[in-house]
Amino acid sequence: DGGITQSPKYLFRKEGQNVTLSCEQNLNHDAMYWYRQDPGQGLRLIYYSQIVNDFQKGDIAEGYSVSREKKESFPLTVTSAQKNPTAFYLCASKAGNNEKLFFGSGTQLSVL
Amino acid sequence: GENVEQHPSTLSVQEGDSAVIKCTYSDSASNYFPWYKQELGKRPQLIIDIRSNVGEKKDQRIAVTLNKTAKHFSLHITETQPEDSAVYFCAASYEYGNKLVFGAGTILRVKS
Repeated sequence: DGGITQSPKYLFRKEGQNVTLSCEQNLNHDAMYWYRQDPGQGLRLIYYSQIVNDFQKGDIAEGYSVSREKKESFPLTVTSAQKNPTAFYLCASKAGNNEKLFFGSGTQLSVL
Repeated sequence: GENVEQHPSTLSVQEGDSAVIKCTYSDSASNYFPWYKQELGKRPQLIIDIRSNVGEKKDQRIAVTLNKTAKHFSLHITETQPEDSAVYFCAASYEYGNKLVFGAGTILRVKS
């Protein structure tokens, strides 16, 4: 069940440090998404991108940044401005003409 | 605003019984409603979805019903089995299908 690869599986962040989560897909999907998952709060949208070199803020974009330089890649940077970064981060993608969203296996980020 | 409410937050059923999870959404323009199953530590997997032009869809033991007038939809699982135990998320499309907004999730426990 490949297609969308997230790395690393586990990541630790020190105070004041920026960290980058990787998301790569080989499904030729146009749209890519980053969600944050906290217990009891479901999946909340951080950023999304419909095409290369374009992206939009989701509901909880503060303290995060993204880039979309290639169709296959949509990395997420958790900056030091994000004061509560501990969460499970899920990347997802879908084809432009299809609503079905497919998820990567996630990255668990924790603060040291 | 964009909102999806999901109930109940936890649900325990005896093996063989039925389980029902309900969701409501806020935007009458939403036209795509998927359900995802997430096992502990794993990625959400799409189990069934429905579009606004139909009222019900079935796939073996799983069915989804949609009431567009009331803006609510439900997941029905019949003859539950222990392997159905997981967290289930509903979602609704917003912004012409470019975004999925998720409910907070339901923890389903099937007791054998």
